Amino acid sequence: GAGVSQSPSNKVTEKGKDVELRCDPISGHTALYWYRQRLGQGLEFLIYFQGNSAPDKSGLPSDRFSAERTGESVSTLTIQRTQQEDSAVYLCASSSGTLPNQPQHFGDGTRLSIL
Amino acid sequence: GDSVTQMEGPVTLSEEAFLTINCTYTATGYPSLFWYVQYPGEGLQLLLKATKADDKGSNKGFEATYRKETTSFHLEKGSVQVSDSAVYFCALAGSTSGTYKYIFGTGTRLKVLA
Repeated sequence: GAGVSQSPSNKVTEKGKDVELRCDPISGHTALYWYRQRLGQGLEFLIYFQGNSAPDKSGLPSDRFSAERTGESVSTLTIQRTQQEDSAVYLCASSSGTLPNQPQHFGDGTRLSIL
Repeated sequence: GDSVTQMEGPVTLSEEAFLTINCTYTATGYPSLFWYVQYPGEGLQLLLKATKADDKGSNKGFEATYRKETTSFHLEKGSVQVSDSAVYFCALAGSTSGTYKYIFGTGTRLKVLA
């Protein structure tokens, strides 16, 4: 597709369940980023991929959070044993390189609600 | 570490008013600076960028100048429209140990009244 695609767009689940969020970046974009945006707050960096490797995982809030990327394309963010504080919009972005002047292109996000 | 500080919102203006949204940053090295916009119900979009000191980014009537001496990248528009109502995020892209990371401000909500 032309833009970054995320699925599902909305996810409601019970506390304690595992969830998997998917991101399809723009074709050819080597860099991929995950962010979390809590209600009324700014973007919180989670993890960055260059190709299939993740040189920066510093933003993952706990070991319940993990992410992988395969084929230098699709990425999945997995949250295990979800907690209510995990409720947020999870945004994925991709860019064509790691150079600092390459802007990021964002998906519409997955709105996650933990009951 | 690197950080971005934006003025808190919401900012409420009448149509055709002058807009300034302040953004200052702290960073090692020479980061690139960006403004992103999030319209209601939509995803984040790049509004403008500047990659070095004294560069001016501009788009859709918005401007921002990279001021190294004051570590600022304030967003301005001479005459806002109702359609400019959105949340605006200032961001920098800087390098930490060779890895470029994007740091976003907390966002400033702009509401323009007809």
